[in-house]
Amino acid sequence: SAVISQKPSRDICQRGTSLTIQCQVDSQVTMMFWYRQQPGQSLTLIATANQGSEATYESGFVIDKFPISRPNLTFSTLTVSNMSPEDSSIYLCSVIPRRGQGYTFGSGTRLTVV
Amino acid sequence: AQSVTQLGSHVSVSEGALVLLRCNYSSSVPPYLFWYVQYPNQGLQLLLKYTSAATLVKGINGFEAEFKKSETSFHLTKPSAHMSDAAEYFCAVSGPGSARQLTFGSGTQLTVLP
Repeated sequence: SAVISQKPSRDICQRGTSLTIQCQVDSQVTMMFWYRQQPGQSLTLIATANQGSEATYESGFVIDKFPISRPNLTFSTLTVSNMSPEDSSIYLCSVIPRRGQGYTFGSGTRLTVV
Repeated sequence: AQSVTQLGSHVSVSEGALVLLRCNYSSSVPPYLFWYVQYPNQGLQLLLKYTSAATLVKGINGFEAEFKKSETSFHLTKPSAHMSDAAEYFCAVSGPGSARQLTFGSGTQLTVLP
C-alpha cells in the first residue's frame, strides 16, 4: 500500500495566523482526501482533491478557510487560514492506492490554536 | 448518501473475552466497508475491508468482520481480547465512482480489563 509522509506532525499556532499542511505520497494517486478529527470526535471529510481540478468541499467547509493545492499526482497541501481555537484538531490526508484497497492515511497533524 | 452507525461509544471487556463492536451501514449503492483502529496519539491503521468478495473478512491482529446485507451490518469481532487491543475503533463506508470518499462512524473506545 502507499506510504504517506505528512508534516508537520504537530504545531501550536497563534490565533489569526495560517498553517499549511503537506502530504507527500510515494506513488501516483488520482484522489486525495483531507479529514478533520476534532478532540474526542470521529473523522469528518473536509474536501476531495483531484490533480488538475478545483478541490470539492463538503458542506460546512469553504475554500477561503481551507484552501487546497494539488499540483501533481503525489503531493497536496491543506492550509488552515485565519485560525481560531475552534480549529484545534487533528488533520489527516488520505489516498486510495488502488481500487478496492483500503484507504491509507497520513500520520496526522495535531494543531493547537492559542 | 452513505452513513454508518456504531452502537456503543464505549465497550469494556475482560482480557481473554470475546470482542464485539457493532456497525450498521446505510448506502444506496453496494458499499465498501472498512474497520480502522486508532491507538492513542497515533494515526489510523486499517484492520480489514469488505469490497464485495467474501462476506467473512479476516484482518490483522486476529480481528474479523462479517458483512450481512440482510441486516445492513458489518460487526467486528475477536475471539479473545488482549490488553494491546485497547484503542478507538472506527467503522467506515465508501461507494464506487463519485461516492468513493470514506464516511466514518462515531467510533467505539475499547477498554480491556485485566
